[in-house]
Formats: sequence, C-alpha cells, structure tokens
Amino acid sequence: GENVEQHPSTLSVQEGDSAVIKCTYSDSASNYFPWYKQELGKGPQLIIDIRSNVGEKKDQRIAVTLNKTAKHFSLHITETQPEDSAVYFCAASRRGADGLTFGKGTHLIIQP
Amino acid sequence: GAGVSQSPSNKVTEKGKDVELRCDPISGHTALYWYRQSLGQGLEFLIYFQGNSAPDKSGLPSDRFSAERTGGSVSTLTIQRTQQEDSAVYLCASSPSPPRVGAEQYFGPGTRLTVT
Repeated sequence: GENVEQHPSTLSVQEGDSAVIKCTYSDSASNYFPWYKQELGKGPQLIIDIRSNVGEKKDQRIAVTLNKTAKHFSLHITETQPEDSAVYFCAASRRGADGLTFGKGTHLIIQP
Repeated sequence: GAGVSQSPSNKVTEKGKDVELRCDPISGHTALYWYRQSLGQGLEFLIYFQGNSAPDKSGLPSDRFSAERTGGSVSTLTIQRTQQEDSAVYLCASSPSPPRVGAEQYFGPGTRLTVT
C-alpha cells in the first residue's frame, strides 16, 4: 500500500519568515495530495490540495508543489504569522474514494 | 454552513464495554470516512462509505470494530469489548457527491475515547 513520509517533525521559524514542509510518497498511482492543518483539540482542516495533473497551486500565502517523477510534494507558507502555529499533515490517495494515507505530521512553531 | 459533527466529544469507558460513536456528515455529502488518530500510529484510515454501503473495510483493525450508515447520512462506529489500545481520537470526514478523482474530505472535531 501507500506510504507517506513527512519532514521535518518539528519546524520553528521567526514570524514573517517562510516555512517549507516536505513529503514523499511511494505509490506512483497516487493522484491526489491534500494538506491539513490541525490545531489542539480540533479536527484536521483542509488548507490546500493538488492533483497529479498540476505542478503547483497557490492560495494567498500558501502554495503546494508536486514533482510526480520524484514522488514528492511540498507545502510552502510565506510571511508566517502566529496563527499559523499548528500541526500540519500531508496525505495521498490513489482514487477519489479511497481513504487518505497521512504523513506523521509537522509541528510548526512561529516565534514572535 | 454546518460542518461535520460528531458525538460524544469525549467518552470514557471501562475495558470490555461496548461503545458507539456517531457522525453527522455535511448535508448532501454521499461519501463518509472514519479515521483513528493516536500518538503512536498517527492518522489511520478505518472505513469508507459511499451511500449506505462500505466497499472498503480494509482499515478496520479487528472484528471488534464495525460501522454502519443509514439513510445515506448518519454513521455509527461501534467498538465491542473495548481494549486499552482502542484509546484514541476517532475522526469522521465527509466528501461531496459525485465521487471523483481527489474529492475533498472535510473532518469533524472527533471523539476522544479513553478506555480505562
């Protein structure tokens, strides 16, 4: 089955700087890659996703890139703010109806 | 609009007892998913429903776990004879109709289950 690796497990950046979280996947048939943000005591919140026919997608301060050949995708957050502090999860799935396979998560800490 | 809701938010039960967890998906979403989140295992897929049927039960960890969905809406996850290793947060997600490549999944707040 699919295996998703996520790095780093913890990332501390100064407010205003950029943050990058990277994931790799093993199943070349995977074609959907969402990113979720989870705050303490809450469920994961979908923040951005990308499909395999697209190489990059942006939404304001958040962008995701996908390299199908290398089987990796990354989340980029620019101009980080204190409210960006949370745990971020990447995920992959092979068909729209399959369950998602998640990475282990990255604890992002924004230092004031 | 209303998101995915789950009840109860917290459940403490004694080892060996049965528990039922409930999920109300976003109105109109035909796909529903259950996941489990624990410190040791991260986020694990348990089961998926399309309408009332469950074509994929591969993630259920044992035969003590079962799930049903009625009327294409509310779903319940039942754990029989609970064990301490069942302690986790159980998350429900729903996805819009029709199923397509990369349909977005929206999560509820979860039910925190503690087995003592």
